[in-house]
Formats: sequence, structure tokens, C-alpha cells
Amino acid sequence: DTAVSQTPKYLVTQMGNDKSIKCEQNLGHDTMYWYKQDSKKFLKIMFSYNNKELIINETVPNRFSPKSPDKAHLNLHINSLELGDSAVYFCASSQGAGDTGELFFGEGSRLTVL
Amino acid sequence: DAKTTQPNSMESNEEEPVHLPCNHSTISGTDYIHWYRQLPSQGPEYVIHGLTSNVNNRMASLAIAEDRKSSTLILHRATLRDAAVYYCILNTGKLIFGQGTTLQVKP
Repeated sequence: DTAVSQTPKYLVTQMGNDKSIKCEQNLGHDTMYWYKQDSKKFLKIMFSYNNKELIINETVPNRFSPKSPDKAHLNLHINSLELGDSAVYFCASSQGAGDTGELFFGEGSRLTVL
Repeated sequence: DAKTTQPNSMESNEEEPVHLPCNHSTISGTDYIHWYRQLPSQGPEYVIHGLTSNVNNRMASLAIAEDRKSSTLILHRATLRDAAVYYCILNTGKLIFGQGTTLQVKP
């Protein structure tokens, strides 16, 4: 039973389209995150939610809008996709706000914008 | 943001110990030192973390310098499955990943 699951695993789309990536965790954690890993393999934190409230927002364009319907889900919606949005997006969760405990990552969603 | 410095790559032979160094000279008193690794085509995986004292778990050991400005991740017996990118991270309330060390393990 996967702890942090993301869908879809692969997503290919055209510039200008709107797409969503879904994330669910069954660990009972309070905090969820979105990270972006670009072609140079750098992992950058984008957002963090604790009990459905946004606690970290790292200078991400307004085209990216996270939504947390409950503490087990954190979805990422991207409007007007651009070529530079092509990357692997990782969802993660932790118990508490991640200041000491470990993060559990999903397997990633590879987004390709053509 | 607090930063860490790691070698870009390292090589090891299978079944030998591996010492992965990390410098974090700007660490503050409350920053935890975390290590994660990322196997090819997978998400990062937690390895170990510590604050001041050395730590051991089933995966690895973490040796922290007395002044906390450096640390070393120790894999006691490297296997081919340990080939991955290893990230040393200062947890300041959020995890900021650097470029990590790519570990190659030779049979």
C-alpha cells in the first residue's frame, strides 16, 4: 500500500493548457509539500500545507495553485503551462511541520510541456 | 538559506565502507542535519538526521563534528543498491536540497 501516491505519473501536454497533479498520503501526516525537480536535478520546494493551511510558498508563479481539500490530499493545478514548467514534481508528507521529522516522498509526476 | 557543500561525485567498491562528507559552516544552533538519497527514477528517501550527537540507524551512521560545521554520512558496507544521489540538508523549518553527491558503487 503506497504511502504517498501521485497521479498521473507521466503527463505530456501543449503550452497554454491547464493541468492538475493529484497527491494523496495514507500516513496520517499533518503536513504535505510540493517539490519541483528540473532537468539539472535540483529539487526545489514550492509549497507546504499544514492541516490544510498554506505555510510555505516559495516564490512560485501565480499560475501554480495548490489546493488541499483535506490533510490527506494536496493537489497542484497549473494554468497556462509554459515550456519551463517541464520537470518532475514530487509530493511529500511529514508528521508535524517537517522541522525535525522525516519527509516521505511520492514517486514523482513527470510533466512535459511541448 | 543555510547551505551545504558536498563533492559532486564519489566512487566506492561493493562491500566497502563509504564516507560521504558535507560542510555546513553557516549552520545555526537549531538546524538539524538531514540526509536523503535519491535512487534513479525515484523520489528522495530519508536516510538519517541528527542535531549534535552521532546517530546510527539500520541504513547508515551520521557523524557530526563537535563544532557542527561538518558531518559525514557513513554507509558501513556499500551495495550496488546504494548507488544514488545523496543530499546533505540543513533543516531550518524546510528542507532546501543542494546538488548532492552522486555515489557510484563498483562490483
